[in-house]
Amino acid sequence: QQQVKQSPQSLIVQKGGISIINCAYENTAFDYFPWYQQFPGKGPALLIAIRPDVSEKKEGRFTISFNKSAKQFSLHIMDSQPGDSATYFCAASSPSGTYKYIFGTGTRLKVLA
Amino acid sequence: DAGVTQSPTHLIKTRGQQVTLRCSPKSGHDTVSWYQQALGQGPQFIFQYYEEEERQRGNFPDRFSGHQFPNYSSELNVNALLLGDSALYLCASSLVSAYGYTFGSGTRLTVV
Repeated sequence: QQQVKQSPQSLIVQKGGISIINCAYENTAFDYFPWYQQFPGKGPALLIAIRPDVSEKKEGRFTISFNKSAKQFSLHIMDSQPGDSATYFCAASSPSGTYKYIFGTGTRLKVLA
Repeated sequence: DAGVTQSPTHLIKTRGQQVTLRCSPKSGHDTVSWYQQALGQGPQFIFQYYEEEERQRGNFPDRFSGHQFPNYSSELNVNALLLGDSALYLCASSLVSAYGYTFGSGTRLTVV
């Protein structure tokens, strides 16, 4: 119940295209869902996050879509750029205890110029 | 405003040795969490410290221990190193009972 399943494992997109990464969870106590971007040799950096009371959140080229009934959420990167090439992690957290994050296994995105 | 600072950036140790990793949290943050990220995997929660006490521990053996100092900085200690301990160790700081981690760049530990 503590797992967050992420797909695909890797993704190749043409410059200007849309990148879509999906995550699914089981624990209905989760109420915070961030997406992190990680470049090689660096720590994860927060991209965008959503709470389950909204179905979509947009920040620039990045959009989270959230489906509470299906217990799924996804990251859409519009107009993908070569500089977006990185590994993306979804995560989930609940307010019980320490607000620790449960991370997905990551998606390696490559945007071709 | 400095973010989360971790040291050292890279470390090579031999099996059976002990290692100490250090973390200075982002200014204003009082809580430090440690994560282990194996190659090609997502970060896994090790434990969290607040007010110099361990609040919660993930599924890691007692070889992993930590400490938080009065200035909120923290150390992660690993004893009796195994080859499988080779990973990127990430420190994240936050405010207690709040979302919003800030991660450091990590310490790459290689056990040979």
